[in-house]
Amino acid sequence: SAVISQKPSRDICQRGTSLTIQCQVDSQVTMMFWYRQQPGQSLTLIATANQGSEATYESGFVIDKFPISRPNLTFSTLTVSNMSPEDSSIYLCSVGQGYGELFFGEGSRLTVL
Amino acid sequence: GENVEQHPSTLSVQEGDSAVIKCTYSDSASNYFPWYKQELGKRPQLIIDIRSNVGEKKDQRIAVTLNKTAKHFSLHITETQPEDSAVYFCAAIPHASGGSYIPTFGRGTSLIVHP
Repeated sequence: SAVISQKPSRDICQRGTSLTIQCQVDSQVTMMFWYRQQPGQSLTLIATANQGSEATYESGFVIDKFPISRPNLTFSTLTVSNMSPEDSSIYLCSVGQGYGELFFGEGSRLTVL
Repeated sequence: GENVEQHPSTLSVQEGDSAVIKCTYSDSASNYFPWYKQELGKRPQLIIDIRSNVGEKKDQRIAVTLNKTAKHFSLHITETQPEDSAVYFCAAIPHASGGSYIPTFGRGTSLIVHP
């Protein structure tokens, strides 16, 4: 399985600011996804990070709020922009090799005051 | 798109009992069905999976069954132990054969194993 390094692991931010979360994989992967997970809730897909092109966003998520970069097959970033307390959540990077298997990063626990 | 229903949302058992979690899916193109275990404060971890060309798969105390006709699959845990306590997520993934895909997760089942 791929080794995924996600950072920061947690952060406390002021409303109106932005935070960028990084996801680094130790091998090239086909698929990279960003999920949000509220405490005690399921995994909500934010977007699929596409290498060299714009991410594909799910319903309810927009690029202006959650810009995503994926410059190569091992790295991606998710920015949470203009944060409000409603953005407090755990953000998870997930990777796959194209045959369905998914592996998750440790997650980034974000608290917005 | 794909829709995955997972039941029950909470399951409480005594240590040593069996636990069964069921999921249904809607997209007949789904061909890969993984199960994830998420302990409190940890990341989801893949514990077992099954592809659509197989009806059952077992790994020690854990087994997964798949009924493609009925579009449902289940996780079976035998001889449950307190360390099995966690949230379990099922997922259905269409076209998982080397190309791009979008996974759809169930809402999760909180399994509590009482000593």
